[in-house]
Amino acid sequence: KAGVTQTPRYLIKTRGQQVTLSCSPISGHRSVSWYQQTPGQGLQFLFEYFSETQRNKGNFPGRFSGRQFSNSRSEMNVSTLELGDSALYLCASSSMSGANVLTFGAGSRLTVL
Amino acid sequence: GIQVEQSPPDLILQEGANSTLRCNFSDSVNNLQWFHQNPWGQLINLFYIPSGTKQNGRLSATTVATERYSLLYISSSQTTDSGVYFCAVAGFGNEKLTFGTGTRLTIIP
Repeated sequence: KAGVTQTPRYLIKTRGQQVTLSCSPISGHRSVSWYQQTPGQGLQFLFEYFSETQRNKGNFPGRFSGRQFSNSRSEMNVSTLELGDSALYLCASSSMSGANVLTFGAGSRLTVL
Repeated sequence: GIQVEQSPPDLILQEGANSTLRCNFSDSVNNLQWFHQNPWGQLINLFYIPSGTKQNGRLSATTVATERYSLLYISSSQTTDSGVYFCAVAGFGNEKLTFGTGTRLTIIP
């Protein structure tokens, strides 16, 4: 079956712009988690959605937001981009909520100029 | 929150060698996973192993929960094993995985 699909794979934005990233989980999975990976901070949890509800949230400013649709696809949005938002954004899906066995997508690499 | 330390940070080996990667964590966990991140950034789940021992081909993992550590063994290394290996844990009542800083493994032909 198809894996976790993230789009776009690469994008370049300038400071002050906003960006929306998309994640389609494995068919039948209802949980989607988002992580940010940077060289300095490593892999950090952003938030998790399950059945269209945000279940957990990491320690990120309100500029980072997300949502999940009825088909379990999820989007995350970052507004007023800063240089420090340049990162690899990884999405993972799971059949259950919480820190269960995660399957990751290939990631969306964001560069902010 | 839980602290996760991985060692060594970097490891360079010849093809065919064996290696042991270690993950120490600061509190009791009910979830521990090992991941391999390839050079293109893809994270692959290797093991879900909150306790006990598992094997999958040339890879095996052991978690000693009472002593708060886990080991990942790679035997007969191949160049495709290169990449960064992450350990991630979650404690009881905590539904968020905390990742370690990883071990960068480089296999030389």
